[in-house]
Amino acid sequence: EAQVTQNPRYLITVTGKKLTVTCSQNMNHEYMSWYRQDPGLGLRQIYYSMNVEVTDKGDVPEGYKVSRKEKRNFPLILESPSPNQTSLYFCASSLVTSGEQYFGPGTRLTVT
Amino acid sequence: AQSVAQPEDQVNVAEGNPLTVKCTYSVSGNPYLFWYVQYPNRGLQFLLKYITGDNLVKGSYGFEAEFNKSQTSFHLKKPSALVSDSALYFCAVRDKGNNDMRFGAGTRLTVKP
Repeated sequence: EAQVTQNPRYLITVTGKKLTVTCSQNMNHEYMSWYRQDPGLGLRQIYYSMNVEVTDKGDVPEGYKVSRKEKRNFPLILESPSPNQTSLYFCASSLVTSGEQYFGPGTRLTVT
Repeated sequence: AQSVAQPEDQVNVAEGNPLTVKCTYSVSGNPYLFWYVQYPNRGLQFLLKYITGDNLVKGSYGFEAEFNKSQTSFHLKKPSALVSDSALYFCAVRDKGNNDMRFGAGTRLTVKP
């Protein structure tokens, strides 16, 4: 089954404790992206990647890091999480040419 | 940079009536335009897209959208709403000249029996 998986689905952590949210897709898509969803703000793009070893900043990259060492994986790293990073995070992937994105189920992160 | 506006936070319609969810966009070049739907506690699901060609685009679940270049709009429509259409709808735009995506703030559609 074609899908985007994220782990963990729920995470509660404390300020400053490094964390990684994993994202994996099995559709051989070149384009992968991370978004955060906040009430009234919709989805805002954090980082995206056009292919292996190619990443670029989206709309709200501050406080986040990403890497793309393999085509299928695109982890999101928060080196020193802060309470304003409490949000619902989505990973997505697509073929570059079509642009239609497939979304993961989401990761709800709470930073206290 | 591109941007998207969904002017209505909430749209309420009666079952069986036509529905419209509005979207306007701003890009410097030519746009790729998308509609996605989000059901409670789920990720977003693709509904339809405009890349080029016919201005009227048909998508999943009976939805369609009309690309209007002069009004920079891409409104989502359905001739007859179902209660099961109740969800959060997002419009998104991608400039053909770059690779980042912009989403609107979302419109909550409620269809009442």
